[in-house]
Amino acid sequence: DAKTTQPPSMDCAEGRAANLPCNHSTISGNEYVYWYRQIHSQGPQYIIHGLKNNETNEMASLIITEDRKSSTLILPHATLRDTAVYYCIVRASQGGKLIFGQGTELSVKP
Amino acid sequence: GAVVSQHPSRVICKSGTSVKIECRSLDFQATTMFWYRQFPKQSLMLMATSNEGSKATYEQGVEKDKFLINHASLTLSTLTVTSAHPEDSSFYICSASLGGSGNEQFFGPGTRLTVL
Repeated sequence: DAKTTQPPSMDCAEGRAANLPCNHSTISGNEYVYWYRQIHSQGPQYIIHGLKNNETNEMASLIITEDRKSSTLILPHATLRDTAVYYCIVRASQGGKLIFGQGTELSVKP
Repeated sequence: GAVVSQHPSRVICKSGTSVKIECRSLDFQATTMFWYRQFPKQSLMLMATSNEGSKATYEQGVEKDKFLINHASLTLSTLTVTSAHPEDSSFYICSASLGGSGNEQFFGPGTRLTVL
């Protein structure tokens, strides 16, 4: 599975959009981009995933560049409860295992 | 939907004893379950992948005789830490997969193991 690179930490003001970047320059054609988050001392929570097209659900939007070498997770109106570690993971299409990197620690501040 | 539970949520045991952790998919049948461990301030590390009715596949460096995994049904997998030692103290997390391509994994809430 391709490796991902994320900034170790980010701050965001409550109510503003949080844009979390992820680089995955070695991604291959059959690999999906997945995003999970982990609130302290809890299990990870699935957020969203995509292959080529941008995706949106009730939690977030996922923007994938045309060359698929990077992506951005957008939380449109961050709240204090969005404070967590966010993991960007590249995963093979056939239900392959998830390999977690270090993620981005997002702190939403009032 | 897609709820995964773990039991117990936390356990404290003496060195040398064995501890069993259960992982259940409550509202779906999980063809595959995964076990992770997480040390403080670190990321999750995949330990093993288990498919119902077959032997688990362990990641490199994980001792299969120490971390026994059983996946006897489509809704239950167990991890037994045998002869636990203080260095096995960690946060153990399971996940379950619905199966099929491009599917997401759903994670349990984790089990905090402390070995005295």
